[in-house]
Amino acid sequence: GQQLNQSPQSMFIQEGEDVSMNCTSSSIFNTWLWYKQDPGEGPVLLIALYKAGELTSNGRLTAQFGITRKDSFLNISASIPSDVGIYFCAGQPLGHGNQFYFGTGTSLTVIP
Amino acid sequence: DTEVTQTPKHLVMGMTNKKSLKCEQHMGHRAMYWYKQKAKKPPELMFVYSYEKLSINESVPSRFSPECPNSSLLNLHLHALQPEDSALYLCASSREQAYGYTFGSGTRLTVV
Repeated sequence: GQQLNQSPQSMFIQEGEDVSMNCTSSSIFNTWLWYKQDPGEGPVLLIALYKAGELTSNGRLTAQFGITRKDSFLNISASIPSDVGIYFCAGQPLGHGNQFYFGTGTSLTVIP
Repeated sequence: DTEVTQTPKHLVMGMTNKKSLKCEQHMGHRAMYWYKQKAKKPPELMFVYSYEKLSINESVPSRFSPECPNSSLLNLHLHALQPEDSALYLCASSREQAYGYTFGSGTRLTVV
């Protein structure tokens, strides 16, 4: 499968702070997705990006599809305790139909 | 109905047992997926079904056998598993290629 490198691996932040994480690949991707996973649950889709340069928001979350098509970024503004969880990027490589591959994940802890 | 339902939620099986995991969606999605997730790791793609036909098998051992009886159902038949197969098994569906997945809550499988 494809390798997606996600950073940082973990973050410990104070409530109210902004968060940034990113995902990079050695391959060109058609689509980038960002998911959040709570313990014992399946990942929940936060944002989907379909075009290079696209910037999309979902409430306090904003994600961007990198111009090179090899990276994507997720920002969370004014973090709150319920933002705690693991955030995964997922990408669909060029010419790979239904296949999405997941990044290594960023574990977010928000300290009240 | 915007859910993917997986049963059972938990399963413990011996290495000589045969069991099946079930997944159901009623969103009219024509692509369905099985992922395997080990603790603190990203989901790993196992199988992709597109219009009820197996389109991708990511070199999964034959002790895992997928089946798609109709457009709403996806099964994963398990036989002669090993303890290292213990993991969270996630089912997902999507409208078409390159659209974001909707995941189920997963089946926590333990092989003893």
